Amino acid sequence: AQSVTQLGSHVSVSEGALVLLRCNYSSSVPPYLFWYVQYPNQGLQLLLKYTSAATLVKGINGFEAEFKKSETSFHLTKPSAHMSDAAEYFCAVSDPTGGYNKLIFGAGTRLAVHP
Amino acid sequence: SQTIHQWPATLVQPVGSPLSLECTVEGTSNPNLYWYRQAAGRGLQLLFYSVGIGQISSEVPQNLSASRPQDRQFILSSKKLLLSDSGFYLCAPRGRPPYEQYFGPGTRLTVT
Repeated sequence: AQSVTQLGSHVSVSEGALVLLRCNYSSSVPPYLFWYVQYPNQGLQLLLKYTSAATLVKGINGFEAEFKKSETSFHLTKPSAHMSDAAEYFCAVSDPTGGYNKLIFGAGTRLAVHP
Repeated sequence: SQTIHQWPATLVQPVGSPLSLECTVEGTSNPNLYWYRQAAGRGLQLLFYSVGIGQISSEVPQNLSASRPQDRQFILSSKKLLLSDSGFYLCAPRGRPPYEQYFGPGTRLTVT
């Protein structure tokens, strides 16, 4: 079965520092991969998605993620953190079994940005 | 683009009372629809999904149920709420390939 592992339930960075949120997946076939962001008391918002067109995917708010098949990873990065980036981030993989009817989510990483 | 409506936005209910949460989607037809729950400090738990009117797949056995009476309407119900039903409930239609899901604003349920 598909699974998604997000290393680090909490990450703290200084404003202006690099943001790196880690995501590893298990899949025997090329998956579709996603990153979502959730602000307090709001639904999840799609940040970016990997569809096999390009391994480096750019998303909203200056975020990007790189698909590395050999490492089964899809880490999310942003060169310079902003206070408004403080939120919870979820990595997800679309499960090809059963016709992509489900997204498998990681447990989430809460990002704190301090001045 | 899709618009997802969920109501109510917040709800406080006593243990043992019934529940009905509603989700409607605009801007798409025949979507796959999903109900998720986020309990405090926990990740997303898929509760139900539906691929069409009257078709419901349950992911977690519990005292909740779901129904899809119309193409773009998805309802989550319970006959008797438990304390453990407290959480943030999210409705999400599925998009076209690569099948990302779009999330509604959520309903915050507190069972007292």
